[in-house]
Amino acid sequence: DAKTTQPNSMESNEEEPVHLPCNHSTISGTDYIHWYRQLPSQGPEYVIHGLTSNVNNRMASLAIAEDRKSSTLILHRATLRDAAVYYCILRPMNRDDKIIFGKGTRLHILP
Amino acid sequence: NAGVTQTPKFQVLKTGQSMTLQCAQDMNHNSMYWYRQDPGMGLRLIYYSASEGTTDKGEVPNGYNVSRLNKREFSLRLESAAPSQTSVYFCASSGGRGQGAKGYTFGSGTRLTVV
Repeated sequence: DAKTTQPNSMESNEEEPVHLPCNHSTISGTDYIHWYRQLPSQGPEYVIHGLTSNVNNRMASLAIAEDRKSSTLILHRATLRDAAVYYCILRPMNRDDKIIFGKGTRLHILP
Repeated sequence: NAGVTQTPKFQVLKTGQSMTLQCAQDMNHNSMYWYRQDPGMGLRLIYYSASEGTTDKGEVPNGYNVSRLNKREFSLRLESAAPSQTSVYFCASSGGRGQGAKGYTFGSGTRLTVV
């Protein structure tokens, strides 16, 4: 399974943008890039996904490098409720759908 | 829609006891998964079921068994609980093979303590 690398933790000030990086240098051409987040004492929840083009939704934006070996989750205006662990994972399109989670990035929001 | 429902939410077991964690989804998903999460750690895959009638081992299957009872339900059994199995257990479901564009849906977890 393709592996992703994320920083262990990051800090950001409230109401400022946050850029969460993810490296996935062994990504295959048919892997989707997915982001999930896990709020304290909750199960992970889907945030956003993409294949090649940048993506926007109501929660966040996803910027994907041209060579697809890295991506960045962008929270445009962080709030205290965005404090969570963020996981970047690769989801195969055409293989057995078994996802392995890494340790993710713990995002701290400073008031 | 309820999504993914896990029962029970909390459980305390004595070493050597057995129990079954239940998981049901109402999204007509093909694939279902069981993960465990130890304090301060990421999620580790225990078992998964790519489709009804099939199950496969994940990263940490020892000490567990699973049953894909039907398309909706996927249960996780601890035959002889050990303190090392104290963890939070999450069930998840997804559309399955060829559904890479669609996300996973997770349950709210079962907090298990083995004493």
